[in-house]
Amino acid sequence: EAGVAQSPRYKIIEKRQSVAFWCNPISGHATLYWYQQILGQGPKLLIQFQNNGVVDDSQLPKDRFSAERLKGVDSTLKIQPAKLEDSAVYLCASSRDRGRAVNTEAFFGQGTRLTVV
Amino acid sequence: KQEVTQIPAALSVPEGENLVLNCSFTDSAIYNLQWFRQDPGKGLTSLLLIQSSQREQTSGRLNASLDKSSGRSTLYIAASQPGDSATYLCALRDNYGQNFVFGPGTRLSVLP
Repeated sequence: EAGVAQSPRYKIIEKRQSVAFWCNPISGHATLYWYQQILGQGPKLLIQFQNNGVVDDSQLPKDRFSAERLKGVDSTLKIQPAKLEDSAVYLCASSRDRGRAVNTEAFFGQGTRLTVV
Repeated sequence: KQEVTQIPAALSVPEGENLVLNCSFTDSAIYNLQWFRQDPGKGLTSLLLIQSSQREQTSGRLNASLDKSSGRSTLYIAASQPGDSATYLCALRDNYGQNFVFGPGTRLSVLP
């Protein structure tokens, strides 16, 4: 089965510019996650969707970050305006979880490495 | 709030050695725990998933154990190879949320 697809792989932007990342989860996976991984640290959850509804966005900096998952499949994550501290790898993951069945394996994409200069 | 730690932060071993990576967590109320491998500049590759009702899982040269009562999981790698060099992350899903909480990772170097 095809894995989680992300694009672009790399992005360099200047601070205060905007940027968008795209994720296509594994077919049939209801749950989609966006994580931010700063160099040398473990990934930190930004937002979790189940189908096209938000399950958890408590750690998403909503003044500059936004995400959507129209039609419950693909998802986009946007940063506007970007700051230097947003430099990180943005990882998308998906799992089969539905409702309270949360014991399934998560699969990650290759990530997008963002550099803000 | 669940806290996940991994010790050591970095480990260097000669090829052929057996080794153990550690993952500790503060709250034993978890759904499952998953071990991942991350190569430089790459995403995460799932290695093993242990459900809360299980004590261990095995895949090839890898064995992961889970002791909820002590808040620990270990990843055992047998007969290490240079190709095992990567960062190993543990992540758990706790009963208070549905997302994964990650440890900071252990960076492993296996020297030929």
